[in-house]
Amino acid sequence: DVKVTQSSRYLVKRTGEKVFLECVQDMDHENMFWYRQDPGLGLRLIYFSYDVKMKEKGDIPEGYSVSREKKERFSLILESASTNQTSMYLCASSNTGYPGEQYFGPGTRLTVT
Amino acid sequence: AQSVAQPEDQVNVAEGNPLTVKCTYSVSGNPYLFWYVQYPNRGLQFLLKYITGDNLVKGSYGFEAEFNKSQTSFHLKKPSALVSDSALYFCAVRDPRGADYGGATNKLIFGTGTLLAVQP
Repeated sequence: DVKVTQSSRYLVKRTGEKVFLECVQDMDHENMFWYRQDPGLGLRLIYFSYDVKMKEKGDIPEGYSVSREKKERFSLILESASTNQTSMYLCASSNTGYPGEQYFGPGTRLTVT
Repeated sequence: AQSVAQPEDQVNVAEGNPLTVKCTYSVSGNPYLFWYVQYPNRGLQFLLKYITGDNLVKGSYGFEAEFNKSQTSFHLKKPSALVSDSALYFCAVRDPRGADYGGATNKLIFGTGTLLAVQP
């Protein structure tokens, strides 16, 4: 079975802090994704990566950056956390075959105070 | 515009009754459609997908979904609901926009989710 793990289930940070969210997948998938999930808004794509060191902006990239130095690891960075970034963050991965369902990690619930 | 709509925020059904969770889509080209389920404090789990072929797709936990091209719908169904089916359900469609990078990026567009509550 595909396994996607995220470094923290719950995280509390202060406004202005730099925050790192880590995601690791064990199925050698080329594609990795970061979403945020908010009530009533569903899942919104922040960034995705289709290969090591390659990244593309999603629908809501503002205030976020990403890093993919190794194929199995995809990091989401909040450069200066703000209260409006309080949310559930979900990581996913998929292969490049059509149509390629995505496999999700358990999520990180981030609270910025 | 590419989009997915789940018109019901919540669906209530009694245990043992059939259930339907609705999804409609708008996408250019042939749609690749998915259903996911999310249990409390968990990530999303893949349930089933439609690529091509038979309009009735069977998936995990006894769920199935019916693809209807003329109505641009992909409703999730189960003949007999269980209390343990209570969860948040998401419909998604593969995003056809953007270039492929030597393979499919498999980006998905998600609906806003439908909370299914099964009463004992």
